[in-house]
Amino acid sequence: GQQVMQIPQYQHVQEGEDFTTYCNSSTTLSNIQWYKQRPGGHPVFLIQLVKSGEVKKQKRLTFQFGEAKKNSSLHITATQTTDVGTYFCAGRGAAGNKLTFGGGTRVLVKP
Amino acid sequence: DAGITQSPRHKVTETGTPVTLRCHQTENHRYMYWYRQDPGHGLRLIHYSYGVKDTDKGEVSDGYSVSRSKTEDFLLTLESATSSQTSVYFCAISESQGANYGYTFGSGTRLTVV
Repeated sequence: GQQVMQIPQYQHVQEGEDFTTYCNSSTTLSNIQWYKQRPGGHPVFLIQLVKSGEVKKQKRLTFQFGEAKKNSSLHITATQTTDVGTYFCAGRGAAGNKLTFGGGTRVLVKP
Repeated sequence: DAGITQSPRHKVTETGTPVTLRCHQTENHRYMYWYRQDPGHGLRLIHYSYGVKDTDKGEVSDGYSVSRSKTEDFLLTLESATSSQTSVYFCAISESQGANYGYTFGSGTRLTVV
């Protein structure tokens, strides 16, 4: 079945620095979503990418969907303490009915 | 998110007992999902529903059953709880499977099987 892998599993970032987390699917995706889960909280939908090569920005967050629609990335610039949490990507396969979540990247920010 | 609530929020139960978790939505969304979250595994789909009395299995459905007799309620039952089912359970809802529809998650139920 479809598998979605995220790297790194953990990311320690100095406040003010940039970092990127990556998401890779074993199969071609119809679209990919990103979620953020604060410690002790529940996942919250951030964005969806649909088109090959698509890039979307939300303030300091930049999301990219790969040309082959098998990978995606999330880049955060000037990391703040409010960015702490786990970021999940979730891919929807060609059949289009269910999302498969990656294992998440847990982000810890050092002030 | 106010439109989706899970109950109970926390539960401790003994091995071998049946347990039912409830997900209630006020958004009239067609799709509802049950996930479990465990360290190192992210979110894994247990069962989902695409309408009243229409349900299907996810990737980790063994030992679980679901029912959806009304649009607003989706119940997850652990038929005979085991320690491996200790986890955080999240319910999610979605208006559609199409583009631009993300999932809205409930606050979760932390289940401990002793």
